[in-house]
Amino acid sequence: NAGVTQTPEFQVLKTGQSMTLQCAQDMNHEYMSWYRQDPGMGLRLIHYSVGAGITDQGEVPNGYNVSRSTTEDFPLRLLSAAPSQTSVYFCASSRQGQGNQPQHFGDGTRLSIL
Amino acid sequence: TQLLEQSPQFLSIQEGENLTVYCNSSSVFSSLQWYRQEPGEGPVLLVTVVTGGEVKKLKRLTFQFGDARKDSSLHITAAQPGDTGLYLCASQPTTDSWGKFQFGAGTQVVVTP
Repeated sequence: NAGVTQTPEFQVLKTGQSMTLQCAQDMNHEYMSWYRQDPGMGLRLIHYSVGAGITDQGEVPNGYNVSRSTTEDFPLRLLSAAPSQTSVYFCASSRQGQGNQPQHFGDGTRLSIL
Repeated sequence: TQLLEQSPQFLSIQEGENLTVYCNSSSVFSSLQWYRQEPGEGPVLLVTVVTGGEVKKLKRLTFQFGDARKDSSLHITAAQPGDTGLYLCASQPTTDSWGKFQFGAGTQVVVTP
């Protein structure tokens, strides 16, 4: 019973490098999202998707791209990493609903940009 | 933009004591969720409250939703070390498009034996 799987668990990048954070869910959830978590700031929404082929921006989208070609996968791309993007990144999924569906989170990717 | 304010930011208590954490907004919540997050893991849903004035209990945890649906509280009775964690409230703006969830900054709870 995998739920939401994020890879990698840890990553160190140099400024200017690019990388993709992977997220996969096996619950056939329509909704998927990416958050970043910084000390004292809770979780901030980066991008989200309400279904395959549909994505939208959250609160802090700059510097990140997403795509949703399948229901299962929702990768997050950093095009040119900056030290300000050092954070813990969480992917979540849920069924469609009016905010009352539980979000299922992965265990996060800890990303450091040097 | 709906802003979720949580208080206190940090709470340290002894085992057996009671505690309450709060989540407030200037806007009305359509619904509100409470999550608990442990170190190295993602948040896990504790409860969803939907109706103004609603009270839900989960063992020693009691969740209240304000009558005006602008505030919520989480009360833990006889706290245990296993209650240690970051407690987060989450909602989405009623006037914005579905899916733009917001989280509060969280209350870090530490229960010492």
